[in-house]
Amino acid sequence: GESVGLHLPTLSVQEGDNSIINCAYSNSASDYFIWYKQESGKGPQFIIDIRSNMDKRQGQRVTVLLNKTVKHLSLQIAATQPGDSAVYFCAENTGSNYQLIWGAGTKLIIKP
Amino acid sequence: KAGVTQTPRYLIKTRGQQVTLSCSPISGHRSVSWYQQTPGQGLQFLFEYFSETQRNKGNFPGRFSGRQFSNSRSEMNVSTLELGDSALYLCASSPVRGVTNTGELFFGEGSRLTVL
Repeated sequence: GESVGLHLPTLSVQEGDNSIINCAYSNSASDYFIWYKQESGKGPQFIIDIRSNMDKRQGQRVTVLLNKTVKHLSLQIAATQPGDSAVYFCAENTGSNYQLIWGAGTKLIIKP
Repeated sequence: KAGVTQTPRYLIKTRGQQVTLSCSPISGHRSVSWYQQTPGQGLQFLFEYFSETQRNKGNFPGRFSGRQFSNSRSEMNVSTLELGDSALYLCASSPVRGVTNTGELFFGEGSRLTVL
């Protein structure tokens, strides 16, 4: 079935370094992708999105890259800060309905 | 502007009982979606309501149901609770239906259900 495969690793990054969180998706028909951040005790919060007609999109300190050839999505966080500690989820929309299909999440830990 | 409000935040039930969770969306938002979140499973879509009508339903048994009121507030109900229903139940609101526009869903902090 359709799935967004996101390993559930814990990514440890030194404060100030860049973080890269990866996500693989399986549905080539997916045309819209979103990254969410979930801090402890809170609901997910929208970070950035990208449509399939784009390869790259930048926000404030964050960049999302989309490689449709290998069905891969990544989130890059520049100059990682303690406040970036959270679980990051990628999600995809296939366009066939209004739902998002979510990955399992990656926990980002910032080392001082 | 107040965010999405979910009540109760925490609750403990026993197997066989039923539970009702409430969600008040952001003012003006007409779409409410419900998700179940369990460790290692990410977010599993339960259903979406828009203008008091269920528009989409995920792959959950009929024990899971919901409704939306004319003021866009929504409730979800789980009957005959099982141990596996223990999870964080998240509600998200959006001004439009689904994710076809901005895709931005505004989440509440969730209701954490423990089934003993």
